[in-house]
Parts: sequence; structure tokens; C-alpha cells
Amino acid sequence: TQLLEQSPQFLSIQEGENLTVYCNSSSVFSSLQWYRQEPGEGPVLLVTVVTGGEVKKLKRLTFQFGDARKDSSLHITAAQPGDTGLYLCAGVSGGYQKVTFGIGTKLQVIP
Amino acid sequence: NAGVTQTPKFQVLKTGQSMTLQCAQDMNHEYMSWYRQDPGMGLRLIHYSVGAGITDQGEVPNGYNVSRSTTEDFPLRLLSAAPSQTSVYFCASRRQGSTSGANVLTFGAGSRLTVL
Repeated sequence: TQLLEQSPQFLSIQEGENLTVYCNSSSVFSSLQWYRQEPGEGPVLLVTVVTGGEVKKLKRLTFQFGDARKDSSLHITAAQPGDTGLYLCAGVSGGYQKVTFGIGTKLQVIP
Repeated sequence: NAGVTQTPKFQVLKTGQSMTLQCAQDMNHEYMSWYRQDPGMGLRLIHYSVGAGITDQGEVPNGYNVSRSTTEDFPLRLLSAAPSQTSVYFCASRRQGSTSGANVLTFGAGSRLTVL
């Protein structure tokens, strides 16, 4: 089983603060995805990173894939209450491109 | 497009009862999968299918059966429910391919199951 360790599991910050969520594994993935999940709904894809060292930006969110394709980070600048939710990283690997999820980071942004 | 549709949304069972969680997608996706989501455990893969007639086990397959007779449907069967199967279940589908864009999962809204 390929494990994805995500940290922190819980994060409560004030509006306007910056934060970083980490996703680490001892396994190499062909790509790594970040999803966001709202209560009562299924996860929705935010971004996919494929190349080692790749950096992608989505407005105030910056995603980075480690050089060895084993880890990733999500950085949010000037967090807003609308950023509140569960953030999940997921690694893609294997012949059938199975998707394995981390535990998730529950983010609360307080106005 | 409806995307991925799961039914029922909520279900309460007694220990030992059987039931089927339904999942249907209208995107012609080859790959379909079932996850369960539990606090502190994240999303764990139960079973998956890469096409009609082809299924395989994920991380936590015990107590669950699946079949894939059509591209659109991928039901999850609990033959004898146990309290440990209390969870939120998600069905997800995607195109099957080697590009990163093919691996994006589309999830249903989830089915909350309680086993007493």
C-alpha cells in the first residue's frame, strides 16, 4: 500500500493569513492531484501536477510537486473564509493509474 | 450532464442485513471506483473497475462485492452489513488513459450508511 501522509490534519487561521499544507510519501507517483471537498459533497479536483519540480498557480493557491515526485505542497496566500474546506492530496500510480488519497487537511478560515 | 449519481443518499441498516449502493455515470468513463471515507482515515479505495466485466480489489475490499455489467453502472453490494461498515461511501469515475488529464476523478455526492 502506498501511503500519502498529509499535514497538518487540522488548521484554523484568521482571514488574511498564509498557510501551507504538505503531502509526503516514500513512493514515486506519475502525477499528484489536489482536491477540495465541501461538507455533504464529493471531492472536486483543484489541480494535477505531473513533472518533478512543477509549480502551478490557481489564483491565491500555489501547488508544487517535489523534484523526486514523492511529495507536494499547497500554499494559500491571504486565506479567505471561502477557502474553508477539506483539502485532499492524491497520488496516481500503477498500470491502471490507481488514485490513492491522503487523510486530508481540514481548513477553517475565520473572518 | 448528470455526472456521477449515487443512491441512496442515506441508509440505516441492521447488522447482518444486505443492501446495494447504486452508482451510475453518463460520461462514458471506462474507470469507476468506490471509496469509503472515515474520520482520521481519509478516502480508502474499496474496489475499482477499468471496464465492463473487469473489476479488482482496492485497499479495503473485505465485506464488499462489485460487478460491472455495463459501462454506466457500478453497484457496491454489502452482503452482511457490520457496524464497521458505517461510513460515507463515494463512487468516482474517470476516463482511462496515460495522460494526466485522463486521471481526474469525478465524484458522486456520497451515500451515508449507518449500520446498527
